[in-house]
Amino acid sequence: DIHMTQSPSSLSASVGDRVTITCRASQGISSYLAWYQQKPGKIPKLLIYAASTLQSGVPSRFSGSGSGTDFSLTISSLQPEDVATYYCQHYSGPPRTFGQGTMVEIK
Amino acid sequence: EVQLVESGGGLVQPGGSLRLSCAASGFTLTSTTMHWVRQAPGRGLEYVSAISSFGGGTYSVDSVKGRFSISRDISTNMLYLQMGSLRSEDTAVYYCARGPCNSDNCYLSDWGQGTLVTVSS
Repeated sequence: DIHMTQSPSSLSASVGDRVTITCRASQGISSYLAWYQQKPGKIPKLLIYAASTLQSGVPSRFSGSGSGTDFSLTISSLQPEDVATYYCQHYSGPPRTFGQGTMVEIK
Repeated sequence: EVQLVESGGGLVQPGGSLRLSCAASGFTLTSTTMHWVRQAPGRGLEYVSAISSFGGGTYSVDSVKGRFSISRDISTNMLYLQMGSLRSEDTAVYYCARGPCNSDNCYLSDWGQGTLVTVSS
């Protein structure tokens, strides 16, 4: 099975800061990587698929990059409504495992 | 509009059984792979099981293999997760989800609201 490792596990940043979360796959997954946002008490929401394609309706301050084993999610200017836990997930066949999550807070 | 509505969660004793249901609308189960994902209280997301659009081939992670079974009823557009030999570590919110697939490569664009399963004596 492919193991997904996210870092950091949590971060605290100021409004307007640029924030980057990384995700590493234990083996190559091409660009079969998705990012999800889960706000407290809410269901997960798809942000990005195919490593860098923004889901419809997602603000352009979110972006994704990477291929193979190393990926990143960037929020170009952190907003209060971005407080959430972010998960990467590979979907290069089952099991489509998730990273352990990164909790983003406002400083 | 795509809608996924889970039901069937509740309190069950260790070793017991439970069947979760997911009512799908706005699309047909034969058009996409369907998935179950769970989240233990205060923990991250865990991929559990899937059933493919064509032929209904299934997959379950090792931790539930032999205990959980995913199935679907095409006539009613319902997805199921039959859970048996339940353990305390199965306590979680269970989500059904779907999304676009490229062959076996499927991400999850639509999620239900989840149903809570609590395994406790």
